[in-house]
Amino acid sequence: DADVTQTPRNRITKTGKRIMLECSQTKGHDRMYWYRQDPGLGLRLIYYSFDVKDINKGEISDGYSVSRQAQAKFSLSLESAIPNQTALYFCATSDLRLRGMFFGPGTRLTVL
Amino acid sequence: SQQGEEDPQALSIQEGENATMNCSYKTSINNLQWYRQNSGRGLVHLILIRSNEREKHSGRLRVTLDTSKKSSSLLITASRAADTASYFCATDQAGTALIFGKGTTLSVSS
Repeated sequence: DADVTQTPRNRITKTGKRIMLECSQTKGHDRMYWYRQDPGLGLRLIYYSFDVKDINKGEISDGYSVSRQAQAKFSLSLESAIPNQTALYFCATSDLRLRGMFFGPGTRLTVL
Repeated sequence: SQQGEEDPQALSIQEGENATMNCSYKTSINNLQWYRQNSGRGLVHLILIRSNEREKHSGRLRVTLDTSKKSSSLLITASRAADTASYFCATDQAGTALIFGKGTTLSVSS
């Protein structure tokens, strides 16, 4: 089984809808991250968490919220989706020393 | 703001040739990492080089780091069609999260 899983893998939704993207990991890592990838822009950090009681904003947190339900689960929510949130979203984990990140397969989100 | 900038944005080579990608960054770092992404898939960690290291090897990969110039290069020797992917550098500035560049798209034709 994959170390980092994301659900759903693809989602098409309409402007104004609330969307939740979920991430689970079996790596045993404390650190979890949400990134967004847009063509030509690389990956940009949305939120990151060092443990269940620690949530930090990244570069582009506006319009997003997160919840760390357990060490292994980190979800990303779009409270009211807008078209410019159409992107590929990745969850990732790392150890405490950030010696490498492990990425999930991504969720392709389209907001119409 | 993004830290790393890869150059070139796109690279096309023949199988057997070497591929070199460069990465420049802006601030001091703890380490620099390279990742590979096959089309539309998750990124895969390739190699990490610490700020006090100048060169590192892993199989057909060779990474150099010049902290005085704030730059790094990734060399893939004897490229194969299966090396076709996007390659990203990422920097660890403060031990919190990685900041990724925009990537180099490598195309290896047989």
